[in-house]
Amino acid sequence: EVQLVESGGGLIQPGGSLRLSCAASGFTVSSNYMSWVRQAPGKGLEWVSVVYSGGDTYYADSVRGRFTMSRDNSKNTVHLQMNSLRAEDTAVYYCAGGISVAVQNYWGQGTLVTVSS
Amino acid sequence: QSALTQPASVSGSPGQSITISCTGTSSDVGGYNYVSWYQQHPGKAPKLIIYDVTNRPSGVSNRFSGSKSGNTASLTISGLQAEDEVDYYCSSYTTTSTPGVFGTGTKVTVL
Repeated sequence: EVQLVESGGGLIQPGGSLRLSCAASGFTVSSNYMSWVRQAPGKGLEWVSVVYSGGDTYYADSVRGRFTMSRDNSKNTVHLQMNSLRAEDTAVYYCAGGISVAVQNYWGQGTLVTVSS
Repeated sequence: QSALTQPASVSGSPGQSITISCTGTSSDVGGYNYVSWYQQHPGKAPKLIIYDVTNRPSGVSNRFSGSKSGNTASLTISGLQAEDEVDYYCSSYTTTSTPGVFGTGTKVTVL
């Protein structure tokens, strides 16, 4: 059974940093396309970042330069380092994975990030 | 990258068929057969129900089907059931600055 488990969310002040992690089991992150997708309260889904199986990473315009996605193949885990956080980054952050960018078969349960003073 | 355009809500009676549209551009929906649809229950993670425009993952009901014409993709739910009353999002590969984009989301109401 495939499982993606996110961790690292919480309450953080504007301008602060947070690191999210997504641990996979029954699924090899290095062989798949891994994404972070967020959903602000009451809003729709927004693609945040993706790492291709080959290692290239891409970001949404809204987070480029502030967020960094990485992959630890030895721990079968992906991370999202979030710096210079803003109130508008408040959302549930989902980790997802699949055979392509457009086909994200597996999703974690989500972790809530709240940016507020 | 602007979100793909979906109707905010679509409704139908039990047993009827409904269609949700997803409009993009030639840089995303119209340019590639890489459109997916996700179903999301309140407070839960999205679930993939259609990929590559028309394909259903194993275990997904055949009441869900997908199609595409030009820059608009569509999700059809046939034999509408009360359990279908949740949110649906389309998604597409795109050649713009971000390789993936979601639709604005559609809430389905079963009358």
